[in-house]
Amino acid sequence: QKEVEQNSGPLSVPEGAIASLNCTYSDRVSQSFFWYRQYSGKSPELIMSIYSNGDKEDGRFTAQLNKASQYVSLLIRDSQPSDSATYLCAVHFNKFYFGSGTKLNVKP
Amino acid sequence: KAGVTQTPRYLIKTRGQQVTLSCSPISGHRSVSWYQQTPGQGLQFLFEYFSETQRNKGNFPGRFSGRQFSNSRSEMNVSTLELGDSALYLCASSAGTMSNEQFFGPGTRLTVL
Repeated sequence: QKEVEQNSGPLSVPEGAIASLNCTYSDRVSQSFFWYRQYSGKSPELIMSIYSNGDKEDGRFTAQLNKASQYVSLLIRDSQPSDSATYLCAVHFNKFYFGSGTKLNVKP
Repeated sequence: KAGVTQTPRYLIKTRGQQVTLSCSPISGHRSVSWYQQTPGQGLQFLFEYFSETQRNKGNFPGRFSGRQFSNSRSEMNVSTLELGDSALYLCASSAGTMSNEQFFGPGTRLTVL
């Protein structure tokens, strides 16, 4: 069983819409959760970290964590074409476990 | 603060050769992890070093090895290269504290012919 699962997409949203990216994980004792953005041909860039249940907002990004449901999500408000990338969910328990990523396309 | 640096950025080798990749973490960071990324397998964890000790290891053959120096710089070595080793090799550094935020370098693109 994969430790971290994401829908591979692609997820297509129009410019200005809210993009919702989801991730589930299998390890109940994981304590740290992260979202990375990776543009084609580039390395992953950390955009959000979340450690406790609830929402965490940073600009247009909101991370949501529900440990009971083993679910973490990323909302991108007012999506821009420059947000088009692959978004990787990562969970840390002793080491990092990465999902395979969701490709997001924001159409102008 | 300078980010994570990796050298070389691109490398072309032939089967059977060996290769050494280098990573310099963010100043003050003591943890360095290495990942292999391929289109088919995604991001695969190789190993993590913390204060010169290997702390975690992924499921890769013994041809993949690494080490960390006292200044936290790390090297990764792959011996007897195979075509399937062609990938983007990423290094990530972390302070190793409870926050565990990990920052990636630009990667080394290895092509094995």
